[in-house]
Amino acid sequence: DIQMTQSPSSLSASVGDRVTITCRASQGISNYLAWFQQKPGKAPKSLIYAASSLQSGVPSKFSGSGSGTDFTLTINSLQPEDFATYYCQQYKSYPLTFGGGTKVEIK
Amino acid sequence: QVQLVQSGAEVMQPGASVKVSCKASEYTFTNYYMHWVRQAPGQGLEWMGLINPNSGSTNYAQKFQGRVTMTTDTSTSTVYMELSSLTSEDTAVFYCTRGDCSGGSCQRFDYWGQGTPVTVSS
Repeated sequence: DIQMTQSPSSLSASVGDRVTITCRASQGISNYLAWFQQKPGKAPKSLIYAASSLQSGVPSKFSGSGSGTDFTLTINSLQPEDFATYYCQQYKSYPLTFGGGTKVEIK
Repeated sequence: QVQLVQSGAEVMQPGASVKVSCKASEYTFTNYYMHWVRQAPGQGLEWMGLINPNSGSTNYAQKFQGRVTMTTDTSTSTVYMELSSLTSEDTAVFYCTRGDCSGGSCQRFDYWGQGTPVTVSS
């Protein structure tokens, strides 16, 4: 199975900050990487697929990059509604696997 | 607007089975896979498996092999996930999520159901 490791597991940031979350795959996955946002008590929301493509309706403040084993999610100008937990996921091969999540909290 | 509407919360006895439904609307049901994801309380996301509504073929995570069954009813655009031999460790929220087949993969999640909480307790 492909292991996905996210860092940090949590971070504190202020409104207006730019934050970057890292995701590393245990083996190369090309660009078969997605990012999700989850707020407490809610279903995950799909943000990014193919490492850098925005899902329809997702604001451009979210961006993704990377290929192979190392990926990043960047959120520009953090707003109150962006405080949530973010997960990466590889969909290169079965079983599909997720990172452990990064909780973005208000400083 | 694509919608995935799941059945309501369940409380089950240990050893029982639970069957969760996911009703799809506003898209061609057989053109997209459906995946199931589990989330235990305070934990991360865990992929359980998928079903191809067009053929009925399935692919289950090894962890759930022998205990999970995914089925589909194309007449009602509904997918079902049944998990048997429940233990307290199966207490979780279960999500269905659509697998977009553009690019030939069908493994890219786009829309999610609202989640179905399942509590296993005696």
